[in-house]
Amino acid sequence: AQSVTQLGSHVSVSEGALVLLRCNYSSSVPPYLFWYVQYPNQGLQLLLKYTTGATLVKGINGFEAEFKKSETSFHLTKPSAHMSDAAEYFCAVRPGESSGSARQLTFGSGTQLTVLP
Amino acid sequence: NAGVTQTPKFQVLKTGQSMTLQCAQDMNHNSMYWYRQDPGMGLRLIYYSASEGTTDKGEVPNGYNVSRLNKREFSLRLESAAPSQTSVYFCASSEAGTNQPQHFGDGTRLSIL
Repeated sequence: AQSVTQLGSHVSVSEGALVLLRCNYSSSVPPYLFWYVQYPNQGLQLLLKYTTGATLVKGINGFEAEFKKSETSFHLTKPSAHMSDAAEYFCAVRPGESSGSARQLTFGSGTQLTVLP
Repeated sequence: NAGVTQTPKFQVLKTGQSMTLQCAQDMNHNSMYWYRQDPGMGLRLIYYSASEGTTDKGEVPNGYNVSRLNKREFSLRLESAAPSQTSVYFCASSEAGTNQPQHFGDGTRLSIL
C-alpha cells in the first residue's frame, strides 16, 4: 500500500517568487511519482512524472520536481511564479512498473496555489 | 482537438433516480478511467478499462456500473443515485502500456438531492 501527503492545502506566493509545493509519499516498493495540475472548472493535466533514471524531472510550464528517496519526497518547484500558475496541484504515487496497476494510483488531497500580484 | 469529452457538465438528480455519464476520447487511447473528486480527498478511482472489452473495479466501485462501448467511449451509470454520490466525476484516458491517466475531461458536476 502507498500513501501521499501534501503539506499545506493552500500556498500563496508573490508573482516572480519561488514556488515550492511539498509532497511526501510512502511506498513499500520503488514508486512512480506524478504531479498533476487542475485549473478552475477543468480536469487534471499531467505536469510531470518520475519513473526511473534521473531524479530531477522537468515538466511543462517551467515546473520541475526532484525525487529524493532518502527523504521520501517529490517536491514541485518553479523558480518564478506567474499569475497563470494559480491552480490546484495534486501529487500522486503508484508502485513501479513491475507491480503497478491503475487501481494502485493514489492521489494526495491537493494544494491550492494562489499567486499574488 | 477535443481530447476527452464528458457529457453532461452539470446534473441534479433526486435520490433513487438513475443516469448515465458519457465519456468519449479521440486520441485512440487504449485505457480509460472514471474518477470522483470530493473536497479534501483528491481523486478516487471508480472503474477503469485497460482496453476495449475489459473493465475493472477501482477503489470505490459500489453503486456504479460501467460500459466500454468501443475504444472511444466509456460510460458510467448510477442505477439508484444516493446523496453520497454527490461529487465531481472525471473521465480520463491514457495510451497503451501506461497505468495512470494522461488526459482528463472537464468533469461532470453531479448533485443528488
